[in-house]
Amino acid sequence: GAGVSQSPSNKVTEKGKDVELRCDPISGHTALYWYRQSLGQGLEFLIYFQGNSAPDKSGLPSDRFSAERTGGSVSTLTIQRTQQEDSAVYLCASSSTGLGNSPLHFGNGTRLTVT
Amino acid sequence: GENVEQHPSTLSVQEGDSAVIKCTYSDSASNYFPWYKQELGKRPQLIIDIRSNVGEKKDQRIAVTLNKTAKHFSLHITETQPEDSAVYFCAASVSNYQLIWGAGTKLIIKP
Repeated sequence: GAGVSQSPSNKVTEKGKDVELRCDPISGHTALYWYRQSLGQGLEFLIYFQGNSAPDKSGLPSDRFSAERTGGSVSTLTIQRTQQEDSAVYLCASSSTGLGNSPLHFGNGTRLTVT
Repeated sequence: GENVEQHPSTLSVQEGDSAVIKCTYSDSASNYFPWYKQELGKRPQLIIDIRSNVGEKKDQRIAVTLNKTAKHFSLHITETQPEDSAVYFCAASVSNYQLIWGAGTKLIIKP
């Protein structure tokens, strides 16, 4: 079946512009995560959605970052007034239930470059 | 805060030899420990995971061991092959949905 789909795969934007990144999780997966991965670094948690519960936004680095998940499926991560330090690969992952019962399935990521 | 330390950051082994990557975690309540493999330019993929109620798990050439007392767990790859070259990430759960990730180990298999 289809995996986690992210778009665009690459995005180059000018400093100060807003960007929207999209994630289509695996159908039926109720949990959705956004991570950020800088070059050669590990995974930095940004935000977590589970069903209709309030999202865990504790990883968002600033108020320029926001995310929403419509209808419990597709999610968009929005970065306003982009800065050069926002350049990274943004990974989305989904899982069907809690950790230990269902692993995280990652998308291929969106490589964001802020010039 | 909670953290996971992963060592080494880079590991170079001869093809056919074994590779061991070690992680240490700080949250004594952690009970789920996955390992992900990320090939260059690709998505991270789960290769093996272990829960806190077991000490070791094997899947063909890959094994993971867990020492809850010492709060460390290790990934063992035997008979390494060129396709094992990748970055490997460990993680530890800090809730029923949240993982804390290690910084990654770049594994290089020398022919």
